[in-house]
Amino acid sequence: EVQLVESGGGLVQPGRSLRLSCAASGFTFDDYAMHWVRQAPGKGLEWVSGISWNSGSIGYADSVKGRFTISRDNAKNSLYLQMNSLRAEDTALYYCAKDWGYYYGSGNAFDIWGQGTMVTVSS
Amino acid sequence: SYELTQPLSVSVALGQTARITCGGNNIGSKNVHWYQQKPGQAPVLVIYRDSNRPSGIPERFSGSNSGNTATLTISRAQAGDEADYYCQVWDSSISWVFGGGTKLTVL
Repeated sequence: EVQLVESGGGLVQPGRSLRLSCAASGFTFDDYAMHWVRQAPGKGLEWVSGISWNSGSIGYADSVKGRFTISRDNAKNSLYLQMNSLRAEDTALYYCAKDWGYYYGSGNAFDIWGQGTMVTVSS
Repeated sequence: SYELTQPLSVSVALGQTARITCGGNNIGSKNVHWYQQKPGQAPVLVIYRDSNRPSGIPERFSGSNSGNTATLTISRAQAGDEADYYCQVWDSSISWVFGGGTKLTVL
């Protein structure tokens, strides 16, 4: 069964850091680009970051550029999101999503999504 | 920046056809993807590249894209189709963009 399972969310104070993880199974992880997408409570979807199959190409939304870092470990079938200098507006459910292709900016759809991990930034 | 505009809500009678639009500048030149999200669940891809259905998605779901508007059409609407629907495109200037989402109500 194709599956993505996120972890690492929680309550964190503004300015602190958090690292999210996404464990993939059921498909050849290193054949595909991966993404993080977030959804603030009661709001729509917002793309956060994407990484190509071999980590050769990476992109970020302007809202997180310089604060968040995406990475992957193909040997461990895992995707990560290091979030630094967290702000209240980063509070959201963070989804890990599989790209249909190998390059994060090829315009392919996101065909598999995890259930998400909640990040709450509050003092 | 590139923006996608969706109606906040669309209502459809049970068994009738629902159409959800996604507006964007020259969106017809881009590949549009559509996602369905039911309450408390992760998004599910229902249409990719304008008009293609992934395996397991009913034929009642279809899509089109031309000019400045892409459309998701749901024929013979069922109660189980009630959800939020999001369009998505890739724009080389700002990367991935989602529409604001449309809440579909089946009456």
